[in-house]
Amino acid sequence: GNSVTQMEGPVTLSEEAFLTINCTYTATGYPSLFWYVQYPGEGLQLLLKATKADDKGSNKGFEATYRKETTSFHLEKGSVQVSDSAVYFCALQGDSSYKLIFGSGTRLLVRP
Amino acid sequence: GAGVSQTPSNKVTEKGKYVELRCDPISGHTALYWYRQSLGQGPEFLIYFQGTGAADDSGLPNDRFFAVRPEGSVSTLKIQRTERGDSAVYLCASGLADSTDTQYFGPGTRLTVL
Repeated sequence: GNSVTQMEGPVTLSEEAFLTINCTYTATGYPSLFWYVQYPGEGLQLLLKATKADDKGSNKGFEATYRKETTSFHLEKGSVQVSDSAVYFCALQGDSSYKLIFGSGTRLLVRP
Repeated sequence: GAGVSQTPSNKVTEKGKYVELRCDPISGHTALYWYRQSLGQGPEFLIYFQGTGAADDSGLPNDRFFAVRPEGSVSTLKIQRTERGDSAVYLCASGLADSTDTQYFGPGTRLTVL
């Protein structure tokens, strides 16, 4: 069945460092891919998404490219801020499906 | 505008008791989803409503879990004879009529079964 694997955290970075959080998936067909973020004390928020191969999703300085050849959707940001500290979830939605299938989440801690 | 709201935000109950968790979706959203998030894990799908009917309840773990959405808006997740393993954060999400549209999540209800 469909599944998502993302790197374990926590990831601890200094402010202005480069961020990569790895995400790979297993799915049949052509899923849509998502990154959700959960800030402390808040609900899950959609950060970005990509619906087909080679699409790049971007938002708030974060980017992720849908790579079908490597079944990956890695999250990147060139310069992180303390306010980016949160838990990041990679997720997929299968062809013509509504269920979101999530990875286990990666906690990011950015130190001043 | 108002987002998805869930009540209560926290619920502590004793093993064997019955609980109800409520979700108010974004106005006009016909799709509604329940997920369960255990500590240190990502959310797991429980059930999907399109309008008043449960289009897919394949994620409900057993027959102690039941959900309703009688008027196509507010939904209630009901858990009978709670067990300690039911302790988790229960998340509700809503979306537009097309089930592949973005899902907007509420803040969740943290259920603790003692």
